[in-house]
Order: sequence, then structure tokens, then C-alpha cells
Amino acid sequence: ILNVEQSPQSLHVQEGDSTNFTCSFPSSNFYALHWYRWETAKSPEALFVMTLNGDEKKKGRISATLNTKEGYSYLYIKGSQPEDSATYLCAFTTSGTYKYIFGTGTRLKVLA
Amino acid sequence: ETGVTQTPRHLVMGMTNKKSLKCEQHLGHNAMYWYKQSAKKPLELMFVYSLEERVENNSVPSRFSPECPNSSHLFLHLHTLQPEDSALYLCASSQDIGRADQYFGPGTRLLVL
Repeated sequence: ILNVEQSPQSLHVQEGDSTNFTCSFPSSNFYALHWYRWETAKSPEALFVMTLNGDEKKKGRISATLNTKEGYSYLYIKGSQPEDSATYLCAFTTSGTYKYIFGTGTRLKVLA
Repeated sequence: ETGVTQTPRHLVMGMTNKKSLKCEQHLGHNAMYWYKQSAKKPLELMFVYSLEERVENNSVPSRFSPECPNSSHLFLHLHTLQPEDSALYLCASSQDIGRADQYFGPGTRLLVL
């Protein structure tokens, strides 16, 4: 059974702090790793799609890295703002399938 | 409207009711998906349609019945549900069912009494 683990489950940070979360996934038959940002009552919004070992992607203050050999990805937020408060989901796909296997998400609350 | 829309956003139904969830995508995609998210669990894939043909039924009970009349619309018909079916139901679409990115709707929050 393929499993994706995200940690921590939730965290609170102060405005201006930098933070990071982890997504762990099976390293065999890897195809892609997706990060989504999901605000309450809204649609999950795609942040990054990562496919290559060593990939680093950046969007504004948010960046992500990928290690397919050991099966993990980190998401970093620099200088957190209250509007960054959301659940951050990762999803993993294997070669030869379209199915996304999701983690349970990391719920981030940024305190002003 | 842009992206993927879902109606209703909230639904309360009794176990003997019949109701339907609607999803519409305005992206010109060929594949559509239903996901279920129960409390503290990851999103679970329920059904997948490609060009209006069902290609996946992920062991979902028959009290959930999907329908895809065209590539822009997807329905989930609900009948004789159980309280444990209370969850958030998300729709998604992608250009095709290969490696294309999935775009999500905001979900329908369902409560079964």
C-alpha cells in the first residue's frame, strides 16, 4: 500500500518567522510530487509539480526541494505572513498511473 | 465562471434521501475525478472519467453513483447514505488522465443525519 506522510500535522508560527514542512513518499516507481495550498472553504491551489531528483522550485516566498532517492520533499516559507495560513498538501504519483496519493496535509497558522 | 465549480457547497440529508452533487469545469479538460475527504484522512479517489467514460471505480459502494454526461460536467448521485459518508467531496479535472496536473473545485461539505 502506497503511503504519503506529512509532518508536522499542524503548526503555529509568528508573522515573519520562516518555517518548513516535510512530505515523505515511497521512493520506488516515482513519477511526480505535487504541492497544493488549501485555504479553508476554497479550492486546493497547485503550488509546485516536481519530477527530478534535486529539483528546487520557488514561487515568491515559498520554495520546495525534492529528493526522490530517499523519498522526501521539503516546503519552505520564508517570512510567513497571515495570508500564508492554510493547509499544505502533497501528493505523489507513480510511473504508469494517473492516481494521486495524498498526504493528510500540514495545517499552518501564522499569527499576526 | 472559471476553473472548477461545485454545487451545492453544503448539503444536509437524511439516510433515506436522494440528492446529487454537481461539478462543472470551464478548462476544456477531458478527465474528471471525484475525491472524498473524511476527517483527519487524506483525499481518497472515488471515480475517474476520461472523455465521459468511467475508467476507475475505487471500490466505492453502490449508494454513490457517478454520471458524466459530457466532458464539462460530472455528477455524484447519492441515495440511502450512511452517517459515516459525511465528508467533504471534491471534484477535480485534468487535461487528460495521463500525467496532467489536476485542478480542484472547492468541494461540497456533506452531512448525513
